[in-house]
Amino acid sequence: LAKTTQPISMDSYEGQEVNITCSHNNIATNDYITWYQQFPSQGPRFIIQGYKTKVTNEVASLFIPADRKSSTLSLPRVSLSDTAVYYCLVESAGYSTLTFGKGTMLLVSP
Amino acid sequence: EAGVTQFPSHSVIEKGQTVTLRCDPISGHDNLYWYRRVMGKEIKFLLHFVKESKQDESGMPNNRFLAERTGGTYSTLKVQPAELEDSGVYFCASTKGGNYGYTFGSGTRLTVV
Repeated sequence: LAKTTQPISMDSYEGQEVNITCSHNNIATNDYITWYQQFPSQGPRFIIQGYKTKVTNEVASLFIPADRKSSTLSLPRVSLSDTAVYYCLVESAGYSTLTFGKGTMLLVSP
Repeated sequence: EAGVTQFPSHSVIEKGQTVTLRCDPISGHDNLYWYRRVMGKEIKFLLHFVKESKQDESGMPNNRFLAERTGGTYSTLKVQPAELEDSGVYFCASTKGGNYGYTFGSGTRLTVV
C-alpha cells in the first residue's frame, strides 16, 4: 500500500477554512483515498472518501489532482469541536485492512 | 442505529494476569476488525473476522493474544498472560461489507503494570 505523508500538526482559528494536504506518491491505479477524524478517547470516524477530482459531503471536501499523488481535505469554517487528529489513508479495492499513519493534529482556537 | 460498543473502556491489570476485551459490532455487520495503538505508535491492524471466521490474523503480535467471534456476533480478544508492552488502546471496528466507511468503537484502554 502507498505510504502517506501529512503534516504533524496544524493550528487554526474558528471560522477559518482548513486545508490538510496528504502526499501519496506511490498510489496505485486501484487505490482510493480515505480520511478519518479522531477525537480524544474515541475511535477514528470516517469523514470522506474519493478516487479522483472532487468529492463533497456535509462535513468536508476532498480534492484529488489528476496525478492522484496527493489529496487535500478541506474543512470549511472550522469550529472548536473540529479539534482532532485527521488521518489520510490509501486503501486498495478488495483489501479491507486499514493502514494508519501518524495523522495531523488540528488545533482550533477561539 | 447503535454503534460499535467495547467493554471495558479501561482496564488496569498486573503483568502476568489475563484480560478479556469485548466488542459488540453494529447489528448485521459481518466484518469485524481489531486494531490497537501502543504508546507513541500508529494504529495497527490485528485481525479481521468475516462472521465467525478469521479472515486475516496477520497482525496478531504473538500467541498470547486470542480472538474469538463465536456465532458471528460479538467478539472477544483475550491477552494471556499480559505483558507490559501490551499496554495501549484496543479498537474494534465493523463494516457491512468491503472497507467503505468503517465504524469504530471508542476503544479499550489497557494498562499493564
